[in-house]
Amino acid sequence: NAGVTQTPKFRVLKTGQSMTLLCAQDMNHEYMYWYRQDPGMGLRLIHYSVGEGTTAKGEVPDGYNVSRLKKQNFLLGLESAAPSQTSVYFCASSYLPDTQYFGPGTRLTVL
Amino acid sequence: GNSVTQMEGPVTLSEEAFLTINCTYTATGYPSLFWYVQYPGEGLQLLLKATKADDKGSNKGFEATYRKETTSFHLEKGSVQVSDSAVYFCALSEGGSNYKLTFGKGTLLTVNP
Repeated sequence: NAGVTQTPKFRVLKTGQSMTLLCAQDMNHEYMYWYRQDPGMGLRLIHYSVGEGTTAKGEVPDGYNVSRLKKQNFLLGLESAAPSQTSVYFCASSYLPDTQYFGPGTRLTVL
Repeated sequence: GNSVTQMEGPVTLSEEAFLTINCTYTATGYPSLFWYVQYPGEGLQLLLKATKADDKGSNKGFEATYRKETTSFHLEKGSVQVSDSAVYFCALSEGGSNYKLTFGKGTLLTVNP
């Protein structure tokens, strides 16, 4: 039982490049979330999904897009990366809306 | 809107010292309250939770009591260990149709031998 996994673990991009972060969970959870973690800011919700085929905006959605084509996967896309998107990105999933299980994180640097 | 305020630290303690990390919240309704822990280089893990007033969550020697009258959920441990060194996040969820967790900014705890 792997729980929540994230790919890749590290990535360096140049400004304007695009990339997709993959989150996968094997717990059959309905709810999935993408957060970013910045020093002194705690975790901020980017987008979330309440089930396969659904997505919704969180607190800081600008510059990001998401897709949930399969229940177990939640993809986060950056179409044109900016230095302000340098952060650690965490994916989470939950069976109920409150108790969330987190992945190990992806450290992204945008130069 | 909802908010969580926790002492920002950093907090540095010696092994076997008593730990308190304060957390207060603002929310409408009756939220569920959580403490998550993040060890170096890892994601967040649920440490404990409480879903209604006067509930006490506990795990691994840590405790926190949901105090509605003071809107608080302070984390305590009687005797910390070096292995407890981590960042601790207080969080709340309104539940129902609101799926989001609102996090505090985190408190870095360092325990020295």
